[in-house]
Amino acid sequence: DAKTTQPNSMESNEEEPVHLPCNHSTISGTDYIHWYRQLPSQGPEYVIHGLTSNVNNRMASLAIAEDRKSSTLILHRATLRDAAVYYCIPGVNNNAGNMLTFGGGTRLMVKP
Amino acid sequence: DTGVSQDPRHKITKRGQNVTFRCDPISEHNRLYWYRQTLGQGPEFLTYFQNEAQLEKSRLLSDRFSAERPKGSFSTLEIQRTEQGDSAMYLCASARWGPPYEQYFGPGTRLTVT
Repeated sequence: DAKTTQPNSMESNEEEPVHLPCNHSTISGTDYIHWYRQLPSQGPEYVIHGLTSNVNNRMASLAIAEDRKSSTLILHRATLRDAAVYYCIPGVNNNAGNMLTFGGGTRLMVKP
Repeated sequence: DTGVSQDPRHKITKRGQNVTFRCDPISEHNRLYWYRQTLGQGPEFLTYFQNEAQLEKSRLLSDRFSAERPKGSFSTLEIQRTEQGDSAMYLCASARWGPPYEQYFGPGTRLTVT
């Protein structure tokens, strides 16, 4: 499995953009990079994924470095409901059943 | 709501008792996963099914744990002779086969062993 490094916690003000970094220097060339988040007392929730190109969806944007050794999840305008633990999970492909390997994640706190 | 559901949401049991949890995946998903999450940690993989076949089990899944997915629909996870160390949140997720392999999680069953 690709190893990941994420900050333990980050803080943001409401309505401001948030950039959540992740280093995954051992990622393989065919592995997707997935991001999930877990709100308090809930199961994890899929946020976004990417392979090589930057990606946007209704929840967030994902910027992937050219060498794929790092990525950044971007929340364009943080809301109080975005307070959660965000997990970066590289290494998702069709080998070994695609089970997700969660690290410690980044706890995002959003201040009003 | 057509998401993943889990039952019960909470279970308190005495050490040594058996418990069984149920997971109903999203209907068109043929892959089903079980994870365990202890306080302050990320979820850890336990086992997964493709249709009714259990294809992989983690080392975390001791002999006291058994999972089934009859007919490739709902799944059950049973823990026999529970121990205090089994106290955790048990999460179920389902997925379609094929890229990009995103998984959809249920709300979890919180087990407390006293």
